[in-house]
Amino acid sequence: KNQVEQSPQSLIILEGKNCTLQCNYTVSPFSNLRWYKQDTGRGPVSLTIMTFSENTKSNGRYTATLDADTKQSSLHITASQLSDSASYICVVSAKGSQGNLIFGKGTKLSVKP
Amino acid sequence: EPEVTQTPSHQVTQMGQEVILRCVPISNHLYFYWYRQILGQKVEFLVSFYNNEISEKSEIFDDQFSVERPDGSNFTLKIRSTKLEDSAMYFCASSLQGLKNTGELFFGEGSRLTVL
Repeated sequence: KNQVEQSPQSLIILEGKNCTLQCNYTVSPFSNLRWYKQDTGRGPVSLTIMTFSENTKSNGRYTATLDADTKQSSLHITASQLSDSASYICVVSAKGSQGNLIFGKGTKLSVKP
Repeated sequence: EPEVTQTPSHQVTQMGQEVILRCVPISNHLYFYWYRQILGQKVEFLVSFYNNEISEKSEIFDDQFSVERPDGSNFTLKIRSTKLEDSAMYFCASSLQGLKNTGELFFGEGSRLTVL
């Protein structure tokens, strides 16, 4: 069954610190992996999209990695800010999918002053 | 910056009533989607739409659901006879390219549906 699992479920860090969020997936055949940021009660906002051949991709203070062999991805946030407090969702697309994205449950990040 | 807009932001309805959720995708986008998120759960795919027809739908998207692009700007999701379990946040999204070409999805702010 196609699944996306994320860890940790929640994380509290101090402003200015770095953190890394994990994603494991069993989606096959794999097409691409996306990371989204979702503020409470709002729609998800795209951070990165990575295909099979990409190992790392950055978007400002966000850096995503992908290991397609072990089916793992991580999202590293550098020098966290209070505005980074949100849920971070890992989403995987299977080959041939025309909309059926497989969403993880997200990691809820709280950045404290 | 262009954005996907959804109305209403919140709708409360009685079980068995029909509901229409409206979306205005980004104007030059070609692919349109509906997803839903039951409180505390994962986002789930409902349906994708391209070239005036459904391109993919999930098991959730049964005969009670329908989508329409009635004009050049709106994209609607209709639930014919709502059930309690339809209570969720419904997200519309659009993209310029399809998912096969790693098209970036832009999501609206969501319409919260509460069925009593």
